[in-house]
Amino acid sequence: DAGVTQSPTHLIKTRGQQVTLRCSPKSGHDTVSWYQQALGQGPQFIFQYYEEEERQRGNFPDRFSGHQFPNYSSELNVNALLLGDSALYLCASTQGVGYGYTFGSGTRLTVV
Amino acid sequence: KNEVEQSPQNLTAQEGEFITINCSYSVGISALHWLQQHPGGGIVSLFMLSSGKKKHGRLIATINIQEKHSSLHITASHPRDSAVYICAVLFNNDMRFGAGTRLTVKP
Repeated sequence: DAGVTQSPTHLIKTRGQQVTLRCSPKSGHDTVSWYQQALGQGPQFIFQYYEEEERQRGNFPDRFSGHQFPNYSSELNVNALLLGDSALYLCASTQGVGYGYTFGSGTRLTVV
Repeated sequence: KNEVEQSPQNLTAQEGEFITINCSYSVGISALHWLQQHPGGGIVSLFMLSSGKKKHGRLIATINIQEKHSSLHITASHPRDSAVYICAVLFNNDMRFGAGTRLTVKP
């Protein structure tokens, strides 16, 4: 039973560029959450998708957007990249408003 | 103020020592998670608690809902326990995280 799969694992982008990160949830999970983890800090909630809609959003600018597909997989898009966007981006999935979260291994984004 | 506070921020122990990591939170929660993160980023969920105490091997987690406090204990610590331990609470249908405790266990 595959867990949460994120791609790519590492990515280097230039300031001003756009990036798309992908997440496939654990089988049976329909809710996907995205988090940003800066070096040495705990993860910060970006947003959560359920039934192909953004259900909740954290304190992130509109440059951060997302999408959920009918198969429950999700994308995180970041436009106009800043150096401060360099971080580990984690995806986690759960079933509905479930308690059991499964995390992916993350995508490490470096903006130069 | 962060909704979830962990202490200590960093912890160094000798192999075999008893370890305690504390977590306090300021919001009403439906559950609390203890997570382990190794270098490279992958997160593993160790425990999910809504009351009382849970034990798995050398790991013990407790929660006091009235005091809004949880602790993670590691007995007979080992160098392979070296990792970042993160407390996260389930709040408003999603998770809020502490900043993590970096544990180093020396042989």
